[in-house]
This record gives sequence, structure tokens and C-alpha cells, in this order.
Amino acid sequence: GDSVTQMEGPVTLSEEAFLTINCTYTATGYPSLFWYVQYPGEGLQLLLKATKADDKGSNKGFEATYRKETTSFHLEKGSVQVSDSAVYFCALIIQTGANNLFFGTGTRLTVIP
Amino acid sequence: SQTIHQWPATLVQPVGSPLSLECTVEGTSNPNLYWYRQAAGRGLQLLFYSVGIGQISSEVPQNLSASRPQDRQFILSSKKLLLSDSGFYLCAWSSRGGSYEQYFGPGTRLTVT
Repeated sequence: GDSVTQMEGPVTLSEEAFLTINCTYTATGYPSLFWYVQYPGEGLQLLLKATKADDKGSNKGFEATYRKETTSFHLEKGSVQVSDSAVYFCALIIQTGANNLFFGTGTRLTVIP
Repeated sequence: SQTIHQWPATLVQPVGSPLSLECTVEGTSNPNLYWYRQAAGRGLQLLFYSVGIGQISSEVPQNLSASRPQDRQFILSSKKLLLSDSGFYLCAWSSRGGSYEQYFGPGTRLTVT
């Protein structure tokens, strides 16, 4: 079935460090891929998306490239800030029916000054 | 612009008591609506989704139910809460056709004691 496997956390980085959070997927069709971010005590916010192979989604300094050959959508940021501390979720949608999102388990990132 | 509201924000209920969580969406028509649960330290689990008034699909068997009495209103209910119902409940919406991303409400934190 359709699923997302996400790098387990927690991840702790110093400010200005490079961030990579790995995400791979299994899908029977051609999914759209997303990264969502959840700040403490809040709901999820869409961070970035990619809808087809080789697309690069980017927002707030974060990037992820849709790699069909490796079925991956790794999240990267060149220089993290304390304000990036949050839980990050990789997700996919198979573009049928009600467009149900399949989420990874989330990766908690803590950035220390 | 579209906004999504959830209430209450937090709720503490005893085992065996009923539950009603409400979600409303503004600024859009005919949205797909979703209820997710996030258990402590875990990812998101899709509970219900709806593509129209009175149309509810359940993803997991449980003692929860959902209803959609109006186009932009989605209600999550239970007749008798269990301890395992504790968690963070998130409502989301997506538009019909076109883009596939889902937009989340602020969530309701439910503690069953």
C-alpha cells in the first residue's frame, strides 16, 4: 500500500548547522509530496510541496526535491535557526477520490543557540 | 481567504463521557473535510473524511463517529470515551480538484481521565 517512511528523531542541531531529514515513499500511483511543519501546541502548516518528478519545493529556506528514481523527498536547509524547532512531517497524496494524505511519523527538530 | 476553526482548544473528559468536537471552514465551498488524530509522540492517523454533506468515510474502526450537517461543518463525536481516545485532534480541508494540499486547523487537545 501507499506509505511514507521518515527519518526517526529527535534531531538536535546547533544554530546555522545544515539540516537533512530523510523521507522515502511507497506509492502505487503518481503521488504529490509534501512537507508539513508543526510548531509546539499548534496544528500543521504546509511547508512545501512537489507534484511531479524532479520538482523542487522550497519555502523559508527549506528545500526538497521529488526523486522518482529513489522514491525520496528529503528535506534540507542550509542554515537552521532556533525558530525552526518543530516537528516535521513528510506526506504524500495519491491523486484520486478524496485525496487522502499519508503521513510519516514525524521528526522532531530542536535547534540550540 | 480561507480559515479553519476548531473548538474547543483543549478538553479534559472522564472515561465514559460523550464527546463533540467541532470544525468549521470559512472562505471556500464544497471542501473535502478530514479528521486526524495525533497520539503523543506519534504521527497522524486519518480517522474520517467527507466529500460532501452527509457523506462520511471511516478509515479505522473505533468508538468515534463523524457527521457533516452543513457544507463547511464537520463534527467528531463519541458516545463513551476511552482512555485511548486521548490525543490531539486535527481537522483539515482541501479543495475539490486542482491542488491537493490539505490545510489544518489549530487542533483540539483531548485528555481522557
